Amino acid sequence: EDKVVQSPLSLVVHEGDTVTLNCSYEVTNFRSLLWYKQEKKAPTFLFMLTSSGIEKKSGRLSSILDKKELFSILNITATQTGDSAVYLCAPAGGSNYKLTFGKGTLLTVNP
Amino acid sequence: GAVVSQHPSWVICKSGTSVKIECRSLDFQATTMFWYRQFPKQSLMLMATSNEGSKATYEQGVEKDKFLINHASLTLSTLTVTSAHPEDSSFYICSALGQPAVSSYNEQFFGPGTRLTVL
Repeated sequence: EDKVVQSPLSLVVHEGDTVTLNCSYEVTNFRSLLWYKQEKKAPTFLFMLTSSGIEKKSGRLSSILDKKELFSILNITATQTGDSAVYLCAPAGGSNYKLTFGKGTLLTVNP
Repeated sequence: GAVVSQHPSWVICKSGTSVKIECRSLDFQATTMFWYRQFPKQSLMLMATSNEGSKATYEQGVEKDKFLINHASLTLSTLTVTSAHPEDSSFYICSALGQPAVSSYNEQFFGPGTRLTVL
């Protein structure tokens, strides 16, 4: 059975702090790993990772995948209150790229 | 990026009625669409995989007679919650599998979700 474990489950930081969110996974026929940010509605796409060791960056956010250790991290530097959200990790597997979602990390950034 | 729409965005219905939710891929064709359900403070749970022109594949524990899925065209999938009960109240999200023009990978593009409240 496919499994995704995210840690921590929740995190409270102050503006300007840097955070690292973790995701470990076990997925049959792994294709890629995706990170999403969810506020009040449906998840919004952040990154898709397919290769090990290649960092993807978007502004203050970055992510990297380790396919050997079955692990990914999402970093957010200089956090802002607008970063407060649930961050979801979802590896895609199988011929139809089925996503298995972790429980998410609830990030709260206080001013 | 690719756009997926859902309609309605929210619906309130009486117990025992049926509710249909539409999921459309607006600028690409999707042979595969997925339906998820999300309860408050929980993650997205895959309900079923919908393939155009064939029967949907349901995840374990999801009643196929209660959650009817029809994927009649390459841009439209529908989820009908039949004889809805209060415990079916949830956030239903669809996604469509597609390949953006500038990428060689398939990606899932999510709709905005439909909030269902059953009284």
